[in-house]
Amino acid sequence: GESVGLHLPTLSVQEGDNSIINCAYSNSASDYFIWYKQESGKGPQFIIDIRSNMDKRQGQRVTVLLNKTVKHLSLQIAATQPGDSAVYFCAEGSNYKLTFGKGTLLTVNP
Amino acid sequence: NAGVTQTPKFRVLKTGQSMTLLCAQDMNHEYMYWYRQDPGMGLRLIHYSVGEGTTAKGEVPDGYNVSRLKKQNFLLGLESAAPSQTSVYFCASRGVSYNEQFFGPGTRLTVL
Repeated sequence: GESVGLHLPTLSVQEGDNSIINCAYSNSASDYFIWYKQESGKGPQFIIDIRSNMDKRQGQRVTVLLNKTVKHLSLQIAATQPGDSAVYFCAEGSNYKLTFGKGTLLTVNP
Repeated sequence: NAGVTQTPKFRVLKTGQSMTLLCAQDMNHEYMYWYRQDPGMGLRLIHYSVGEGTTAKGEVPDGYNVSRLKKQNFLLGLESAAPSQTSVYFCASRGVSYNEQFFGPGTRLTVL
């Protein structure tokens, strides 16, 4: 079946550095993609989304890149802060449903 | 606005017992969802609803039932709990005009 996966299960960065979290997807028919952040003991929190007809979208300190040729999605976090430590999920959407990847644990070292 | 709320926050059941998880949203969203999250895994869709009075199966519906009698509420029922249903359950809702799903804080369920 279709799946959404991640290249790296864990990522450790120094405070102030930029972080890049990657995601591979397999359903070329997905209409949009979303990145969620989940802190320990909490529900997922929306970060940013991108439609399938876009290549790049920027938010506050975050950028999502979509490469449809190789079915790859990435989340870039600028000037990573300790508060960014969490599990990050990519999800692909079609109609009104999401399919989630397994997540990447981001640890920010002071 | 409270957003998406879930009750209870924690629950311990014995095998064979039944229970209902309640999800409520105050954003007038049409779509509502129930997910389960197991260690080291992403969220998997159990059931969802595209409007009051309608429900549909997701990826892992077996052993669960749902009801959406009111637009703001989405109930998840376990008729006969099994240890394999030990998990963290998340409810989410979404409006029709945008893609973002808003998540509740989760219910941690343990079945002994």
